[in-house]
Amino acid sequence: GENVEQHPSTLSVQEGDSAVIKCTYSDSASNYFPWYKQELGKRPQLIIDIRSNVGEKKDQRIAVTLNKTAKHFSLHITETQPEDSAVYFCAAPHSGGYQKVTFGIGTKLQVIP
Amino acid sequence: DTAVSQTPKYLVTQMGNDKSIKCEQNLGHDTMYWYKQDSKKFLKIMFSYNNKELIINETVPNRFSPKSPDKAHLNLHINSLELGDSAVYFCASSQVQKGTDTQYFGPGTRLTVL
Repeated sequence: GENVEQHPSTLSVQEGDSAVIKCTYSDSASNYFPWYKQELGKRPQLIIDIRSNVGEKKDQRIAVTLNKTAKHFSLHITETQPEDSAVYFCAAPHSGGYQKVTFGIGTKLQVIP
Repeated sequence: DTAVSQTPKYLVTQMGNDKSIKCEQNLGHDTMYWYKQDSKKFLKIMFSYNNKELIINETVPNRFSPKSPDKAHLNLHINSLELGDSAVYFCASSQVQKGTDTQYFGPGTRLTVL
């Protein structure tokens, strides 16, 4: 099965600084890596994803990088703002059969104004 | 339009009671899930249904019984509630495609067992 490790579990940054969250996965056949953001009291929502045929994807202030050889992928948030404060989850699907997604433990990001 | 909806949003009950949570999705997805999120925010899959068939059952106690009357609905019934069942339960849906699987989550049901 898939094993997903995520770190750090908590991260505090000053507003305007960058934040990086890293995940590793175990199933070398996994080919799709989403990131979800969960604001306090809300549902997790997809913010960005990457497929295994690309190494990096950007969407305004957020980007995701993927290193398939090392089996790790990272979320980068630049010019952080207070509204970026949330819990972020990485995820990786299992490669066999119907999709089962394993989530990382989550990273609580606090952006200090 | 609400894509994935759950009811109720809050559920407070006594130990030993039986309760149900309902979930509906209007996205036309073929797969639905139940997740449990504990106080440490860890998201753990409980069940997955594809076209009304149970696909994943992650060693959840048999006090939990999911039911999918059709592709758009997945309900969760819990018997003999225990203190440790207190958590937020999220329903989710996705369109299973080889290589991608974006999960669309419902708003969650906060279950408190007293």
